[in-house]
Amino acid sequence: GAVVSQHPSWVICKSGTSVKIECRSLDFQATTMFWYRQFPKQSLMLMATSNEGSKATYEQGVEKDKFLINHASLTLSTLTVTSAHPEDSSFYICSASAGTGVNEQFFGPGTRLTVL
Amino acid sequence: GNSVTQMEGPVTLSEEAFLTINCTYTATGYPSLFWYVQYPGEGLQLLLKATKADDKGSNKGFEATYRKETTSFHLEKGSVQVSDSAVYFCALTRGDSWGKFQFGAGTQVVVTP
Repeated sequence: GAVVSQHPSWVICKSGTSVKIECRSLDFQATTMFWYRQFPKQSLMLMATSNEGSKATYEQGVEKDKFLINHASLTLSTLTVTSAHPEDSSFYICSASAGTGVNEQFFGPGTRLTVL
Repeated sequence: GNSVTQMEGPVTLSEEAFLTINCTYTATGYPSLFWYVQYPGEGLQLLLKATKADDKGSNKGFEATYRKETTSFHLEKGSVQVSDSAVYFCALTRGDSWGKFQFGAGTQVVVTP
């Protein structure tokens, strides 16, 4: 099946710094990528949808200036958590769609962010 | 709004036992329903799906039937293996919000030899 990678798999940073997370579709072109956030023992919450070459669409309640999303190519999307604070600590998961099936998305393994 | 509720885990079973994970949903219109599985250290993988009422999705011995009357999509497997140990997520999307998944909280399943 299609493979989506994320880098880094985990990151620890100091409060106030910015962190960039990469999401790559390795063997297919992803016209649409999604970013999710998962709190412990809770479901994945969709943060934003990004289409290659256009601005991301953010879900209600997600700060676009806080979570910067760039979808520079058909195989790469990045999420930058700016001026991170401890409450931003979470598990961030991306998914990518090749548009081959009904609502089918391929998920990355996730990135664990810990802000000290 | 849309929501998905699934049973809390962890669910601990012996090998060859019968597995059921309950999932119910709230949605307007006619959503598509999915089960995703997440093995340790890996991303979510599509396990099965159903796009309309009474459809049955099946894969790797797992089955789930789209029940509109009870708004449910319960996952079942007749005889689990240790390799089925994972976290299982029930999810839905609506046709008018393509790609926007609403996930349940996930249910951890632990199968012991």
